[in-house]
Amino acid sequence: NAGVTQTPKFQVLKTGQSMTLQCAQDMNHEYMSWYRQDPGMGLRLIHYSVGAGITDQGEVPNGYNVSRSTTEDFPLRLLSAAPSQTSVYFCASSYQGGSDYGYTFGSGTRLTVV
Amino acid sequence: SQQGEEDPQALSIQEGENATMNCSYKTSINNLQWYRQNSGRGLVHLILIRSNEREKHSGRLRVTLDTSKKSSSLLITASRAADTASYFCATEGDSGYSTLTFGKGTMLLVSP
Repeated sequence: NAGVTQTPKFQVLKTGQSMTLQCAQDMNHEYMSWYRQDPGMGLRLIHYSVGAGITDQGEVPNGYNVSRSTTEDFPLRLLSAAPSQTSVYFCASSYQGGSDYGYTFGSGTRLTVV
Repeated sequence: SQQGEEDPQALSIQEGENATMNCSYKTSINNLQWYRQNSGRGLVHLILIRSNEREKHSGRLRVTLDTSKKSSSLLITASRAADTASYFCATEGDSGYSTLTFGKGTMLLVSP
């Protein structure tokens, strides 16, 4: 099925641990991005990429790293997890330039840092 | 910082009624999009309106955009219980590489 696949769906980390959230899309979208969703805050942009080899920071990038070696994959790395990173993380992709199809979102990763 | 702000924060209506949600934003945009999120799920794209458009329809959805007031509204006609969800507006900027900036959302409850 065409779309955005995120793994894992749930994760519990201890403070200081590192991990990688995976995101893959099979729609040949140039643009991919990571958001976090916290209660009452809506979605906030962490990092984004406009193509393989090109990434940039969003509104809340501290504590996260990304890379884009292929068009399909855009992993998000937590370097040293902190309780403030407890959140639901969403990956999204789209054609660049605002096509009428908008952005396609994954189903999310619910992360708890204890 | 949040670009869009939805109003109201929560809306409760009966099946068959119309639901109207409003969104205000701060900077120049290329387009404005509306998304729906069912509890615990990912966001689903509903409709996109470009900055040079004033109104757009898709099924039971009607979106308006007033760039002079930096505001948009989403109208859902003849609401159904299945429309119960959170609705977010998001704006795509008009400078450089575009990114999508979301508001905090409106929670819609449609009772049978």
